[in-house]
Amino acid sequence: QVQLQGSGPGLVKPSETLSLTCTVSGGSIGSYYWGWIRQPPGKGLEWIGCINYSGNTHYNPSLKSRVTISVDTSKNEFSLNLSSVTAADTAVYYCARRSAFDLWGPGTMVTVSS
Amino acid sequence: DIQMTQSPSSLSASVGDRVTLTCQASQDSRKYINWYQQKPGKAPKLLIYDASNLEIGVPSRFSGSGSGTDFTLTITSLQPEDIATYYCQQYHNFPWTFGQGTKVEIK
Repeated sequence: QVQLQGSGPGLVKPSETLSLTCTVSGGSIGSYYWGWIRQPPGKGLEWIGCINYSGNTHYNPSLKSRVTISVDTSKNEFSLNLSSVTAADTAVYYCARRSAFDLWGPGTMVTVSS
Repeated sequence: DIQMTQSPSSLSASVGDRVTLTCQASQDSRKYINWYQQKPGKAPKLLIYDASNLEIGVPSRFSGSGSGTDFTLTITSLQPEDIATYYCQQYHNFPWTFGQGTKVEIK
């Protein structure tokens, strides 16, 4: 059974870079798009971007200048980097599979605070 | 960007009621709409993909319909475990976008 597990720091300082990794277990990262979605406390879902196994990426224009998503097929994982963070980037960050997000990681709460 | 507008923002209904949630896209999204259920503290769960296809394992009381700009999620007989927030999402065009959600409560 394929599972996703996100990992990374739960606290990031303002102006620094938020870095998260999503590990795919029980299956191959080959095929599909793999994406990141975030949810600020008490608010709705925001799509951040996605990548496929060959490295093709698409980003939300509202975050594009600060976002990088990469994939490491040898480790069966994909990663999110969000630079120059502010308090507005405080959210639960989810990794998910496909354009119909049929599989989600449990979410990583990231707080931006000094 | 395609804006997704859900209505109502919240609703209260009785167990056994038929509940209808709507989602309107600002542009033609063909059939490329998905619906998710999110319970507090949990990741969203896919219910319906491509507007009307029931995800494996999802109870048959959930159904989806629509195409183009107007979409509907129906719960034919509301159950206590259906208390959640429901989101629609389009993937016809990048950036993929979500609606703001409909919170469903029991009366």
